[in-house]
Amino acid sequence: AQSVTQLDSQVPVFEEAPVELRCNYSSSVSVYLFWYVQYPNQGLQLLLKYLSGSTLVKGINGFEAEFNKSQTSFHLRKPSVHISDTAEYFCAVSSGGYNKLIFGAGTRLAVHP
Amino acid sequence: DVKVTQSSRYLVKRTGEKVFLECVQDMDHENMFWYRQDPGLGLRLIYFSYDVKMKEKGDIPEGYSVSREKKERFSLILESASTNQTSMYLCASSLRDRGDFGSGTRLTVV
Repeated sequence: AQSVTQLDSQVPVFEEAPVELRCNYSSSVSVYLFWYVQYPNQGLQLLLKYLSGSTLVKGINGFEAEFNKSQTSFHLRKPSVHISDTAEYFCAVSSGGYNKLIFGAGTRLAVHP
Repeated sequence: DVKVTQSSRYLVKRTGEKVFLECVQDMDHENMFWYRQDPGLGLRLIYFSYDVKMKEKGDIPEGYSVSREKKERFSLILESASTNQTSMYLCASSLRDRGDFGSGTRLTVV
């Protein structure tokens, strides 16, 4: 069965510092990969997705992620974070029929002034 | 933009009650999904549907059932609510291309 591991449950960082949220997945077949963000008391919002093509994917709010097939990773990065980036971030993988997503446990990003 | 609408934002129900959570999407998508979200566990798939009257179990279907009588509506049913079903429930449609989720229903079972 597929699984997604988000290696850090919490990531504290100072404003304007760079950040990387790590995600590894287990799958031996072609996958589609996603990052979602959930701001406090809100629903999930799609940040970016990898379906095919370039392994560097750019998303909203200045985030980007790199698909690394050999390391089965899809880490999320931002070169300079803002207070408003404080949220929970979820990595997800989809493969096979019906495109159901398997989610990681989430990483809580806390940006401090 | 796709809209996925969940009828209730907050619900409080008693143990043993039958509970209906409703979800409607407006883009004629075939696939619809129900997840529950718990701290430290992420989102876990309860059930999904790929067509009217068609459904498949997800990873944690026990204690739940679903109904899809019309393409735009997908209902999650708790036959007899229990306190361990207190959670945030999220509905989604057509995840591959658009990744649209509803805003969630926070259910508390007392």
